[in-house]
Amino acid sequence: DTGVSQNPRHKITKRGQNVTFRCDPISEHNRLYWYRQTLGQGPEFLTYFQNEAQLEKSRLLSDRFSAERPKGSFSTLEIQRTEQGDSAMYLCASSLLGTDEQYFGPGTRLTVT
Amino acid sequence: GEDVEQSLFLSVREGDSSVINCTYTDSSSTYLYWYKQEPGAGLQLLTYIFSNMDMKQDQRLTVLLNKKDKHLSLRIADTQTGDSAIYFCAENTDKLIFGTGTRLQVFP
Repeated sequence: DTGVSQNPRHKITKRGQNVTFRCDPISEHNRLYWYRQTLGQGPEFLTYFQNEAQLEKSRLLSDRFSAERPKGSFSTLEIQRTEQGDSAMYLCASSLLGTDEQYFGPGTRLTVT
Repeated sequence: GEDVEQSLFLSVREGDSSVINCTYTDSSSTYLYWYKQEPGAGLQLLTYIFSNMDMKQDQRLTVLLNKKDKHLSLRIADTQTGDSAIYFCAENTDKLIFGTGTRLQVFP
């Protein structure tokens, strides 16, 4: 068990470009969560999946954001037409249904210039 | 609404106990959590408490829960320099709602 992994760890992009992040959860964890953390704040919930179904999306997840988990394993988070306000750490977590313990990956730090 | 509040900073001497406090608002939370975040790193789950408990001890960590006042605390005994980090409490309503974090600084 290698824990939750995220790629890339850092991404610098120009405003207006699209970016995609990947999260690989702990194997056999059927729930996968995305959070966003800005400097000096706690993580804020974006969305979560149970297997391949996206069960909840936060109001923070504008139309420019889309997340997928096509086979119920890894997940991708895409941000289209990035804005400077999208600069943040994007965190992924996974859990086993019924355990309520979420384990976090190291995050992807996005900088939009 | 959902809101979790923590004090921003705590400074303690090495070897002393640290107490980090948190208040939450959602009485339906089944679990309450403490996470640790070191610079540039993700969040490490330290411990959690079920909402029908009032205390949980795990080695140097003691969690106290006052459900009536919606108050949660984390006590770290014999605080070490390696405990320096940001500590987040979180309540669980399917998703985690985090506080703003308490930065713990341990000085020799």
